[in-house]
Amino acid sequence: DVVMTQTPVSMSVSLGGQVSISCRSSQSLVHNNGNTYLSWYIQKPSQSPQLLIYKVSNRFSGISDRFSGSGSGTDFTLKISRVEPDDLGVYYCGQGTQYPFTFGSGTKLEIK
Amino acid sequence: QVQLQQSGAELVKPGTSVKLSCKASGYTFTSNHMNWIKQTTGQGLEWIGIINPGSGGTSYNVKFKGKATLTVDKSSSTAFMQLSSLTPEDSAVYYCASLFDFWGPGTMVTVSS
Repeated sequence: DVVMTQTPVSMSVSLGGQVSISCRSSQSLVHNNGNTYLSWYIQKPSQSPQLLIYKVSNRFSGISDRFSGSGSGTDFTLKISRVEPDDLGVYYCGQGTQYPFTFGSGTKLEIK
Repeated sequence: QVQLQQSGAELVKPGTSVKLSCKASGYTFTSNHMNWIKQTTGQGLEWIGIINPGSGGTSYNVKFKGKATLTVDKSSSTAFMQLSSLTPEDSAVYYCASLFDFWGPGTMVTVSS
């Protein structure tokens, strides 16, 4: 199975600040078709996860441009700029390149 | 708008089975594969399997083969997951997710005697 390693486990940021979350996979996430199926999700308190970014850098419908994804191969990053109160929650990366699909263990974002 | 409505919380006894449902609306049910995901505090998010609502074809995480069975009813745009031979380790919140674009609210399953 592809192991997804996220860092940090938790972080605290001031409103208006910027954060970066790292996600590394144990194998390349480049699919045979050339696409890289790396996604980012946020799980807000008492809610189900929701998709933020798909295929490394594509923002899902309705997602603010304060969220950006980058990376390739096995190293990926989610950046959140101008942090707002509604951004608090747990962020997960996930891969859909290879069965079984797998997720990182999450990064908890707290607002100072 | 896309909505996934999941069945209510279940309290079940060890050794029994439970069947969870996920009713889709707001899109063509047969157009998007449906995933099922398990979430526990200790294990985080675990992918259980995926079903193609159009064909009924499935793929499972080896870890959940024999534990989970995925089916659909196209007439009601509903996906189902049956969990069998339940143990306390199956206690979790179970999500359905259309592709991974839209997630249901989850169903909490508690296995206890």
